[in-house]
Amino acid sequence: DTGVSQDPRHKITKRGQNVTFRCDPISEHNRLYWYRQTLGQGPEFLTYFQNEAQLEKSRLLSDRFSAERPKGSFSTLEIQRTEQGDSAMYLCASSPLAGTVSNEQFFGPGTRLTVL
Amino acid sequence: DAKTTQPNSMESNEEEPVHLPCNHSTISGTDYIHWYRQLPSQGPEYVIHGLTSNVNNRMASLAIAEDRKSSTLILHRATLRDAAVYYCILKAAGNKLTFGGGTRVLVKP
Repeated sequence: DTGVSQDPRHKITKRGQNVTFRCDPISEHNRLYWYRQTLGQGPEFLTYFQNEAQLEKSRLLSDRFSAERPKGSFSTLEIQRTEQGDSAMYLCASSPLAGTVSNEQFFGPGTRLTVL
Repeated sequence: DAKTTQPNSMESNEEEPVHLPCNHSTISGTDYIHWYRQLPSQGPEYVIHGLTSNVNNRMASLAIAEDRKSSTLILHRATLRDAAVYYCILKAAGNKLTFGGGTRVLVKP
């Protein structure tokens, strides 16, 4: 399967702990996106990368959140000092760089975070 | 980002067509209309997109009003596997997708 993969699929942590999620995009996709989805809501944009450069961050991305894509391939999303409000599904997506607004994004299965 | 309005839910019988409306009265001239769907316990999946003309692909058809202030996603013969939340999204020059609440489609056998 050559789709977008995410690891882990589920994470349970205690409030105050740090967590890190990994996303492997479709190879040769230059753009990588992170979204967050809470129960019953549509996904909300967090940030996106073009190659290794982080080009946009949402106001939702507080200073406890940091994302990296060091070599322009996989990406990590870290949440420090987790809070119960961080409980959500974290979705990763990738798309090719063709440079038009019509490019579809390919989503991974998500990482479900539960903060106790 | 321009906003879209969709009904919260719709029901259909299996093998019948489903018409999913979307209002986007504040659409700008450069906004593409995208549709994604999200099956239970999965990430969203691209369905179709268009700018001005109606579009067809193997999954669905997209009918766009002449003034572009509304559009309709058409699933020609709904199957049980089409039960999902369908999102209508306006995609502008930025790359992010701005999801609304979507329409939950229930397909009855």
